[in-house]
Amino acid sequence: NAGVTQTPKFQVLKTGQSMTLQCAQDMNHNSMYWYRQDPGMGLRLIYYSASEGTTDKGEVPNGYNVSRLNKREFSLRLESAAPSQTSVYFCASSERLRHNEQFFGPGTRLTVL
Amino acid sequence: DQQVKQNSPSLSVQEGRISILNCDYTNSMFDYFLWYKKYPAEGPTFLISISSIKDKNEDGRFTVFLNKSAKHLSLHIVPSQPGDSAVYFCAAKLDNYGQNFVFGPGTRLSVLP
Repeated sequence: NAGVTQTPKFQVLKTGQSMTLQCAQDMNHNSMYWYRQDPGMGLRLIYYSASEGTTDKGEVPNGYNVSRLNKREFSLRLESAAPSQTSVYFCASSERLRHNEQFFGPGTRLTVL
Repeated sequence: DQQVKQNSPSLSVQEGRISILNCDYTNSMFDYFLWYKKYPAEGPTFLISISSIKDKNEDGRFTVFLNKSAKHLSLHIVPSQPGDSAVYFCAAKLDNYGQNFVFGPGTRLSVLP
């Protein structure tokens, strides 16, 4: 059981470049989430997917898009990266939307120059 | 304005002693609280939680106390061990907005041998 996996672990982009962060879970969870963590701040929710086929905006969705490809996979796309998107990105999953415990991936450290 | 605050960015404790990590919140509608632990280069992992209908929850060496009137919760670790050295995040949830946890900025605990 790998739990929640994320690729890549590190990425450096130039302003304006695009990229997709990949996330997969093998726990048969219905709900998946993308967070970002910035220094001195808690994790902030970017987008979430309550179940396969649905996605919704979280607290800080601007500049991002997501795709719930199937029950296992939830990707986060930056169409035109900006320095303000330099952050550590965490994917998480939970059994269902209102379940209290979320399981997190190891994170992707993204730097936008 | 941060709804969940952890005012101590860091804390150092001697091995075997008690560690007390504090968390304050501003929204009296929060009804569920969680603590997550995070090691470097890993995602946060769930540690312990408490519902707003309780004032204490224990799990082995970890106890969470909730004081609703003061909008304050604390995590006690007794006895502290070097392996407890990590960043601890407090998180809060609204029952009818269940997909979104509000995280505090974290406290880095160092347990000294």
